[in-house]
Amino acid sequence: DIQMTQSPSSVSASVGDRVTITCRASQGISAYLAWYQQRPGKAPNLLIYAASSLRSGVPSRFSGSGSGTDFTLTIRSLQPEDFATYYCQQGKSFPWTFGQGTKVEIK
Amino acid sequence: EVQLVESGGGLVQSGGSLRLSCVTSGFTFNNYWMGWVRQSPGKGLEWVAYINQDGSGRYYLDSVKGRFTISRDTAKNSLYLQMNSLRAEDTAMYYCARGGSYLDALDIWGQGTMVTVSS
Repeated sequence: DIQMTQSPSSVSASVGDRVTITCRASQGISAYLAWYQQRPGKAPNLLIYAASSLRSGVPSRFSGSGSGTDFTLTIRSLQPEDFATYYCQQGKSFPWTFGQGTKVEIK
Repeated sequence: EVQLVESGGGLVQSGGSLRLSCVTSGFTFNNYWMGWVRQSPGKGLEWVAYINQDGSGRYYLDSVKGRFTISRDTAKNSLYLQMNSLRAEDTAMYYCARGGSYLDALDIWGQGTMVTVSS
């Protein structure tokens, strides 16, 4: 199985900050990577697919990059509604796997 | 409006069974593959099962193989997860989700249904 490792596990940031989250795959997954946002008590919401493609309707302050084993999610200017937990997910091979999550907290 | 609504969760004893349902609306069901993802209380997301558009392709998390069965009914626009031989570690919120609009990503999620397995 492909293991997905996110770092950091949590980050404290202020409104307006730039936040970068890293996701590393245990083997190459090309660009078969998605990023999700999950607010407390809610279902996850797709932000990025194919590693760097922004889902329609998602604010442009979110961006993704990477290929192979190393990926990043960047939030350019953090907004109050962005305080949430973020997950990466690989779709290269079954079983699909998620990272353990990164919680973005208010500083 | 595109919508997924899960039901069927509840409290069950270890070794018991449950059948989760996910009724979909607002889109052409048989154009999309579907999946189930779970989340144990306070924990991260865990993919559970996948079924392709016509039901001919199914994949499972190793720990549920042989115990869980994913299926779909196009006439009812519904997705199912039959869960047998339930264990305490299956306790989680179970989400159904749609895929196919954005490659391997899950773009529409239901609100979830809670399964609690007592030991």
